[in-house]
Amino acid sequence: NAGVMQNPRHLVRRRGQEARLRCSPMKGHSHVYWYRQLPEEGLKFMVYLQKENIIDESGMPKERFSAEFPKEGPSILRIQQVVRGDSAAYFCACGGNTGELFFGEGSRLTVL
Amino acid sequence: GIQVEQSPPDLILQEGANSTLRCNFSDSVNNLQWFHQNPWGQLINLFYIPSGTKQNGRLSATTVATERYSLLYISSSQTTDSGVYFCAVTYNFNKFYFGSGTKLNVKP
Repeated sequence: NAGVMQNPRHLVRRRGQEARLRCSPMKGHSHVYWYRQLPEEGLKFMVYLQKENIIDESGMPKERFSAEFPKEGPSILRIQQVVRGDSAAYFCACGGNTGELFFGEGSRLTVL
Repeated sequence: GIQVEQSPPDLILQEGANSTLRCNFSDSVNNLQWFHQNPWGQLINLFYIPSGTKQNGRLSATTVATERYSLLYISSSQTTDSGVYFCAVTYNFNKFYFGSGTKLNVKP
């Protein structure tokens, strides 16, 4: 997966808590995409970011969800006041100018 | 957005058999990739193939962009080929559209 690092790999939260998921692209990759996958389902687009800019957030819920990709540091997907329906695997995909996507290993969020 | 349809949705093979997976898309694209999601959930790049044909071992892929489809061929299937195969497309790199996947089970 070309070195795309996601953490944590597993995260357990109680309803109402916050979840922060991190994605560090490999060097030279400035495009970050976040996808959500429910069990036995496909990948749903959430947001596309480039350094310091949100390019497309049309797949992200308007409330409680936010994403950033600062000039320094990893991209962060933040979910506030989590609910049970937020339980899913969240994948980060990264790419450079060739357009080829590489995925991280995912962060699996469980909301109790 | 671009609609991506994959077929078949489910496939059971005996080890050693060959198969063809199909990905149809509804609009012009300039990027198409095939991924394999293994039983542990990892998404592995198989092919970056906006057009033409590529081969990698027992796998090969062909994309005919003008006719809006791509095919993934698996020959001499092995149990390690089990998992879900996804096709993803984009036109302007802003958003990659994924199909629902083909779930493959290769039996020993």
